Amino acid sequence: NAGVTQTPKFQVLKTGQSMTLQCAQDMNHNSMYWYRQDPGMGLRLIYYSASEGTTDKGEVPNGYNVSRLNKREFSLRLESAAPSQTSVYFCASSERWEKLFFGSGTQLSVL
Amino acid sequence: DAKTTQPPSMDCAEGRAANLPCNHSTISGNEYVYWYRQIHSQGPQYIIHGLKNNETNEMASLIITEDRKSSTLILPHATLRDTAVYYCIVRVAFPGTSYDKVIFGPGTSLSVIP
Repeated sequence: NAGVTQTPKFQVLKTGQSMTLQCAQDMNHNSMYWYRQDPGMGLRLIYYSASEGTTDKGEVPNGYNVSRLNKREFSLRLESAAPSQTSVYFCASSERWEKLFFGSGTQLSVL
Repeated sequence: DAKTTQPPSMDCAEGRAANLPCNHSTISGNEYVYWYRQIHSQGPQYIIHGLKNNETNEMASLIITEDRKSSTLILPHATLRDTAVYYCIVRVAFPGTSYDKVIFGPGTSLSVIP
């Protein structure tokens, strides 16, 4: 039982490159989330998915797209990376009104 | 916007109780109060949650005021390992809805001092 798994753990991109952050959970949770965390700041919600087949914008969705591929997987895509997207990205999952389980994070640098 | 406000930082002496306050004056009747903490750069970790009654588990106690507009997380005997950022959030607990937007604020940075 791995919980929430994020890949990759580290990534360096050049401005304009694209990439997809992967997230998978094995707890059969309906809800999944993507957050970003900048130095000295709290977590900001990028996108969330309350159930398979649905996605909704969070606080800071600009520059990102998401796909809820199935109940297990929720990916975050940067189509054209910008230095402002340098951050640590956390994926989380939960049952609708239960506690969130977080992954260990992806540290992304955009040069 | 986050629906909670917390002090940005607090200190606590090792071995003493750490009392972390949170204001959630616009909380709805169907919203729970949740507390998480984040140690260094790890993923946040669940601590405790409650609706209107006080709650206690092996990690902490949660005291919610009768009007539910504020709460306090209590770490009864703080240790150096409790140094972390603590987040108070409110979360709807409403079966059957697709709305599940979970917003974190900046949290409280707790420093436990030897």
